[in-house]
Amino acid sequence: KNQVEQSPQSLIILEGKNCTLQCNYTVSPFSNLRWYKQDTGRGPVSLTIMTFSENTKSNGRYTATLDADTKQSSLHITASQLSDSASYICVVSAYVDSSYKLIFGSGTRLLVRP
Amino acid sequence: NAGVTQTPKFQVLKTGQSMTLQCAQDMNHEYMSWYRQDPGMGLRLIHYSVGAGITDQGEVPNGYNVSRSTTEDFPLRLLSAAPSQTSVYFCASSYSVGGAQGFWGDEETQYFGPGTRLLVL
Repeated sequence: KNQVEQSPQSLIILEGKNCTLQCNYTVSPFSNLRWYKQDTGRGPVSLTIMTFSENTKSNGRYTATLDADTKQSSLHITASQLSDSASYICVVSAYVDSSYKLIFGSGTRLLVRP
Repeated sequence: NAGVTQTPKFQVLKTGQSMTLQCAQDMNHEYMSWYRQDPGMGLRLIHYSVGAGITDQGEVPNGYNVSRSTTEDFPLRLLSAAPSQTSVYFCASSYSVGGAQGFWGDEETQYFGPGTRLLVL
């Protein structure tokens, strides 16, 4: 079954600390992997899009890594800020059942405390 | 640009009532889609459209209808609301999709609306 699993489900860190969110997928064949940030009460906003050939991609304090061999991705947040409090969603694009689809993980809820 | 807009923000319905969730985008995007988001689950695709006059079913289409008469608008209709349709609904758009098969290209970013929170009693 094509799945995208994220861990942890929730995370609390202190402002200024770093954290890493994990995404494991069983989707095959794989096209690309996306990370979205979703603030409470808002729609998801794209952070990064990574192809299978990319290992690392950064967007400011956000750095995504991808290991296509082990089907794992991570999102590292450096020097966290209160505004980083949000849900982070991993999405994999794959060719499934004769069409391309986006398969969404259930997200990691991050809370940054002062 | 307003981006993707959705109305209403909140709605309470009684079982059996019908309603239309509105979605509009001003970015001239060809591809539009509707998702629902439930606690503990990833977003699930309800219906999508690859251009005006063309719509297709997603993963969970039952109980919902869509139409696409213009590039800008993509309304979602609940024909007879059920408690199982209590959810947060998101509309999204992107510039193009590689053919009707919906290829999510490496540079294809989706833009999401703010969502409609629906409660069916």
